[in-house]
Amino acid sequence: GAVVSQHPSRVICKSGTSVKIECRSLDFQATTMFWYRQFPKKSLMLMATSNEGSKATYEQGVEKDKFLINHASLTLSTLTVTSAHPEDSSFYICSASWGTEAFFGQGTRLTVV
Amino acid sequence: QQQVKQSPQSLIVQKGGISIINCAYENTAFDYFPWYQQFPGKGPALLIAIRPDVSEKKEGRFTISFNKSAKQFSLHIMDSQPGDSATYFCAAGRRSGGSNYKLTFGKGTLLTVNP
Repeated sequence: GAVVSQHPSRVICKSGTSVKIECRSLDFQATTMFWYRQFPKKSLMLMATSNEGSKATYEQGVEKDKFLINHASLTLSTLTVTSAHPEDSSFYICSASWGTEAFFGQGTRLTVV
Repeated sequence: QQQVKQSPQSLIVQKGGISIINCAYENTAFDYFPWYQQFPGKGPALLIAIRPDVSEKKEGRFTISFNKSAKQFSLHIMDSQPGDSATYFCAAGRRSGGSNYKLTFGKGTLLTVNP
């Protein structure tokens, strides 16, 4: 299957700082990427849909000013968690769609201290 | 509103046994039903998927059964192995602009296969 690379896999940051997570589709062009958040032993919660060259579409309840999404090219989408707080600590996962199939990155474990 | 209901929440099976996980959906607009396998600390990986125009799909030890009228689908893992121990998510997808699909996930099933 297609490869989606997510970086970093783990990050620890101080409260109040911003963190950027990158998601790259390595062997195909992804016009749409999705960002999910997953709490321990819980399901994947869709945060936003990232569309290349246009603004992201956020799910209800997700603060767009806090979770900034940029999809500047067909192979790269970034999620920036701004002014991070301990409650933002979570596992963030991106996926890139190729037709019906969604390929997921390895995930990023964010810990805000 | 939970659009995709998954059960059981956890499942323990002996090696060589059959693992069965069930999902039900509400929205008839869904037309793509994948199953994902996730190991701790990793992203989900596509296991097998089905479209509503077929009632069953088999790939190796993994089979999806689909009942369109009941709006239910299930994953069967035959000859379960300890290496199958993971969390399994069902999902239902529908088009979200263009040719891409937006997925709604079930809550997951933690499968443990005892040796």
